[in-house]
Amino acid sequence: ETGVTQTPRHLVMGMTNKKSLKCEQHLGHNAMYWYKQSAKKPLELMFVYSLEERVENNSVPSRFSPECPNSSHLFLHLHTLQPEDSALYLCASSQDVVSYNEQFFGPGTRLTVL
Amino acid sequence: ILNVEQSPQSLHVQEGDSTNFTCSFPSSNFYALHWYRWETAKSPEALFVMTLNGDEKKKGRISATLNTKEGYSYLYIKGSQPEDSATYLCASGDSSYKLIFGSGTRLLVRP
Repeated sequence: ETGVTQTPRHLVMGMTNKKSLKCEQHLGHNAMYWYKQSAKKPLELMFVYSLEERVENNSVPSRFSPECPNSSHLFLHLHTLQPEDSALYLCASSQDVVSYNEQFFGPGTRLTVL
Repeated sequence: ILNVEQSPQSLHVQEGDSTNFTCSFPSSNFYALHWYRWETAKSPEALFVMTLNGDEKKKGRISATLNTKEGYSYLYIKGSQPEDSATYLCASGDSSYKLIFGSGTRLLVRP
């Protein structure tokens, strides 16, 4: 166990649905991240939060909306997604937002958009 | 733009073989190099974070080296075991705190 949990593990949704992905870290970290992994592509950074403030929005379409209500929880709200958004979505946390801090990952949510 | 390359893309070895993979990254504005191990249906797990040129780190049968001047890192596994089967990811970090990941090397160790 890495100390980072994600729910749900699998999600199937239609293009008109609204759903949310949840991430929780039990490590006392200050930074949290959302990554996307599409088939045969490297992990892509989507959003970064430091102490509940967003510090990065990596040119992600507005149909993905992150929320960080406190330093332990991170959500990704999904609305009007496209089939090409089907991917594995990984959450991670680190002590601080610096590149030499180890990142701790959750197991991911496998999203399928029909 | 950082571009991290890993080779080989996949590797099949026999139990007991030693093996190594390569990660190459742009050497400008380098801050850190991460190695992660990712088993199917599990979370990626950090193996090493290295920051200094010439760094060598070891965890059991797995070790890694870092050359920041030429922009490469090697991961070595001595005496591979079936439980070492996983995808091994490397990621390079610069001063902007972002990690740029490679596509990974998928290792399969046959009993």
